[in-house]
Amino acid sequence: DIQVTQSPSIVSASVGDRVTITCRASQGIRSHLAWYQQRPGKAPKLLIYAASTLQSGVPSRFSGSGSETEFTLTISSLQPEDSATYYCQQLNSYPRTFGQGTKLEI
Amino acid sequence: EVQVVESGGGLVQPGGSLRLSCAASGYLFSSYEMNWVRQAPGRGLEWISYINHDGYTMHYADSVRGRFTISRDNAKNSLSLQMNSLRAEDTAVYYCVRENWRGSNYFDYWGQGTLVTVSS
Repeated sequence: DIQVTQSPSIVSASVGDRVTITCRASQGIRSHLAWYQQRPGKAPKLLIYAASTLQSGVPSRFSGSGSETEFTLTISSLQPEDSATYYCQQLNSYPRTFGQGTKLEI
Repeated sequence: EVQVVESGGGLVQPGGSLRLSCAASGYLFSSYEMNWVRQAPGRGLEWISYINHDGYTMHYADSVRGRFTISRDNAKNSLSLQMNSLRAEDTAVYYCVRENWRGSNYFDYWGQGTLVTVSS
């Protein structure tokens, strides 16, 4: 199974800051990685797929990059509504493993 | 508007069974693969099962293989998860999720979730 490790587990930042979250896969997954945002008590929401493609309707301050084993999610200018937990997920093979999550506190 | 709505959660005793359902609307259900993802209280997301568009290919996480069965009825736009031999560690919110593909796979529509509690 492919293991997916996110870092950091928790990040604190201020409105207007730039934040980067890293996701590492235990083996190469090409660009088969997605990022999700989950606010408390809500279902996850797709932000980015294919490592760097922004889902329709997602603000352009969110961006993704990387391939094979190392990926990043960047939020360029934090807004209060970005307070949430972020998950990466590999979709290269089964099981479709998620990272453990990164809680973003603003 | 695409919607997926889960139902069937509740309280069940260890060793018991429960069947979750998911009603899909707003898109051609038979053309999309579907998944179940769960989240234990205060924990992260765990993918547990997949079914392809015509229902003939399924995948399971090791944690549920042999106990859970995913199925779909394309005529009724519905997805199901039959859960047997339930354990306390199966307690979680269960999400029905549509899978899409555009150069790479991704989970684009999630239901609101249904809570399953396994306890005596």
